[in-house]
Amino acid sequence: DAGVTQSPTHLIKTRGQQVTLRCSPKSGHDTVSWYQQALGQGPQFIFQYYEEEERQRGNFPDRFSGHQFPNYSSELNVNALLLGDSALYLCASSRVSNYGYTFGSGTRLTVV
Amino acid sequence: DQQVKQNSPSLSVQEGRISILNCDYTNSMFDYFLWYKKYPAEGPTFLISISSIKDKNEDGRFTVFLNKSAKHLSLHIVPSQPGDSAVYFCAAIALSGTASKLTFGTGTRLQVTL
Repeated sequence: DAGVTQSPTHLIKTRGQQVTLRCSPKSGHDTVSWYQQALGQGPQFIFQYYEEEERQRGNFPDRFSGHQFPNYSSELNVNALLLGDSALYLCASSRVSNYGYTFGSGTRLTVV
Repeated sequence: DQQVKQNSPSLSVQEGRISILNCDYTNSMFDYFLWYKKYPAEGPTFLISISSIKDKNEDGRFTVFLNKSAKHLSLHIVPSQPGDSAVYFCAAIALSGTASKLTFGTGTRLQVTL
């Protein structure tokens, strides 16, 4: 049974560019959350998607946007990249209103 | 505003001994608490959780204690094994409508030595 799959695993972008990260949830899960983990910090909640809509959003600027598709997979888009956006981006899936989050291995984004 | 705090960045324990990892929180609306373990190049893996209506939950070598009045929880690992060496994150959930975001601490790196 495949867990949460994220792609790509690593990415290098230049300041000002845009990036799209992808996540396929665990089989049977319908809710996807995205987290940003900066070096030496705990993961910070970006937003959560359920039924193709954003249900909750953390303290991140509008440059961060997302999407959920009918098959429950999700994308995270970041526009106008800043050096400070360099981090590990984690996707977590769960069933709605269930606390059993499964995390992917993350995408390591480096902005130069 | 760090609502979940892990004040010990690192901890070293001998194999076979008890490891105690601590976590404090400030938000009294948190309903549920979880511990995650993270190895390098992997995502966090769920270890154990506890509801705010309980004060203890046990699963094999892992026990979580919750002291609501002190807004403090701890994870006990007995006996500690070398494979337990990882970064441990405490996380909390405050239900908001139907959403349930995780608020993480900054993590404690546990090293279990031979």
